[in-house]
Amino acid sequence: KAGVTQTPRYLIKTRGQQVTLSCSPISGHRSVSWYQQTPGQGLQFLFEYFSETQRNKGNFPGRFSGRQFSNSRSEMNVSTLELGDSALYLCASSFRPLAGGANEQFFGPGTRLTVL
Amino acid sequence: AQRVTQPEKLLSVFKGAPVELKCNYSYSGSPELFWYVQYSRQRLQLLLRHISRESIKGFTADLNKGETSFHLKKPFAQEEDSAMYYCALKGNSGNTPLVFGKGTRLSVIA
Repeated sequence: KAGVTQTPRYLIKTRGQQVTLSCSPISGHRSVSWYQQTPGQGLQFLFEYFSETQRNKGNFPGRFSGRQFSNSRSEMNVSTLELGDSALYLCASSFRPLAGGANEQFFGPGTRLTVL
Repeated sequence: AQRVTQPEKLLSVFKGAPVELKCNYSYSGSPELFWYVQYSRQRLQLLLRHISRESIKGFTADLNKGETSFHLKKPFAQEEDSAMYYCALKGNSGNTPLVFGKGTRLSVIA
């Protein structure tokens, strides 16, 4: 079974631009979660989508948004980029939603975003 | 509020020595606790979860509700255990997200 894939793997943007990251979950998985990983803050939850609906959202500004398509693929968008948005963005998929009990999440390799 | 604390950023042990990675949490209900591991140039992956009460790669972790801890232990460290370890908590009420600690880098010295 193919793992979680994320594209692109690396991105360089400048302040004020916007960016869209893509995540393809494991086949059959309907829950996709996004995390931001930085050296200072570690892994922080951004949001979770299940069956095209956002089920939960972390404590991030409205510049961070996401969506999920009918094939469970998900995208996240960051508008008006700031230097502090430079991070590794991880996507994770699971068969059930996070609220569905102990539910293993499978992580992708991440997209490394650098904002100049 | 949910919080996970891993007090050690870096832990170095000699091969064959016991290892304990500390994890303390803050949560008012009954949480689910996990340990995730990231080996060099690999993806973050689940190592073990408290409800399974299993031993994976020689590692065990016991949930201590009195001390609100979920320390990861292994009696004899091996070089291939060198990795970044993250403790994570999921609350049991509603759509609570998975909250991660900041991680501990384990370095096993030959």
